[in-house]
Amino acid sequence: KNEVEQSPQNLTAQEGEFITINCSYSVGISALHWLQQHPGGGIVSLFMLSSGKKKHGRLIATINIQEKHSSLHITASHPRDSAVYICAVNRPGEEKLTFGTGTRLTIIP
Amino acid sequence: KAGVTQTPRYLIKTRGQQVTLSCSPISGHRSVSWYQQTPGQGLQFLFEYFSETQRNKGNFPGRFSGRQFSNSRSEMNVSTLELGDSALYLCASRGTRGGYTFGSGTRLTVV
Repeated sequence: KNEVEQSPQNLTAQEGEFITINCSYSVGISALHWLQQHPGGGIVSLFMLSSGKKKHGRLIATINIQEKHSSLHITASHPRDSAVYICAVNRPGEEKLTFGTGTRLTIIP
Repeated sequence: KAGVTQTPRYLIKTRGQQVTLSCSPISGHRSVSWYQQTPGQGLQFLFEYFSETQRNKGNFPGRFSGRQFSNSRSEMNVSTLELGDSALYLCASRGTRGGYTFGSGTRLTVV
């Protein structure tokens, strides 16, 4: 079983819909990261969380340390949000990232 | 502020050859980590360097090695290339605030 699990693996939605992507992890962590990868490969870091909630524009990320669960929400989704969203964690004392398998999001105009 | 620069962007090599990839981190970032991405295995950690010292290494064979220079630039080397080494190789630099900045990657094809 992977240490970091994401759901769903694939998500297709209409423009304007509210999107939720989930991430569960089974190990102790010092930080959780949400990353975005567009076709072509480049990865952009969206959020780094160790507790609570963060918001940036239409994106919101939350984490529940006790339940070992994080969610990424996108409000008023747009076709340019189409990408692979990846959850990754740092274990305490480690710089290495352990990744989930990613969620492929497609927003249809 | 310049981002993380990886060179080359694309590379085609023959089995048995060796390859060196380069990563220049954001100015002031001392931590550089390397990752391999393949369709089958996803993203996997290779190694991480801080101030010229390797602090962490992933579960990859000894054919994969790296180093970091005093200016924080890092290189990774793969010797005796195998077909399975075909992948997107990404590096990321990390500053004191903790967030990662990724380069655009080097796409290596081994034929």
